[in-house]
Amino acid sequence: QVTLRESGPALVKPTQTLTLTCTFSGFSLSTSGMCVSWIRQPPGKALEWLALIDWDDDKYYSTSLKTRLTISKDTSKNQVVLTMTNMDPVDTATYYCARTLYGDYVTWFDPWGQGTLVTVSS
Amino acid sequence: SSELTQDPAVSVALGQTVRITCQGDSLRSYYASWYQQKPGQAPVLVIYGKNNRPSGIPDRFSGSSSGNTASLTITGAQAEDEADYYCNSRDSSGNHRVVFGGGTKLTVL
Repeated sequence: QVTLRESGPALVKPTQTLTLTCTFSGFSLSTSGMCVSWIRQPPGKALEWLALIDWDDDKYYSTSLKTRLTISKDTSKNQVVLTMTNMDPVDTATYYCARTLYGDYVTWFDPWGQGTLVTVSS
Repeated sequence: SSELTQDPAVSVALGQTVRITCQGDSLRSYYASWYQQKPGQAPVLVIYGKNNRPSGIPDRFSGSSSGNTASLTITGAQAEDEADYYCNSRDSSGNHRVVFGGGTKLTVL
């Protein structure tokens, strides 16, 4: 059974750096084809993809947020970490991590973690 | 373009068939995947690729694609299908960047 769980602070102040950890089980990020993504959802709004890291340590970022994001993995701990710098109230959202799989012409997320709500406020 | 467009809201009578669409230039090159999200819950994958259903997803859910439009069809909608539905695809850059649609709120009447 594949599971993922997000952890990190529930509240951060504007301009601070957010660090979130995704701890997963049931698969290995050293297996060819395996990836993990971070996705967020502001309250009442749509999903927004943030970043992806693959088994080969290749990293991909949202074009609009790439200057603020860093994704990394610790294969031995089954963890993926996302940092986002210079947090702003508009970054208030539920942050999800999800196992990411892909074929030649498709990318999908399955399963997702339960999400963690991060509020940005002074 | 890296955007996917969905109708904000769609309704269907109980037991009837409904199609939820997703439009975008990237869909000319890539398949969509679809997610169901109920209030307070994480999204759940219901369709991926050409028309693949994960284990445990009822066969009333199906997917199709034509040109720049992907569709999720629910044949015989049930009350428990009332939820938000999101599509995603790889973006047009050809690498692993991903884009989501804005979501469709499905109401089952």
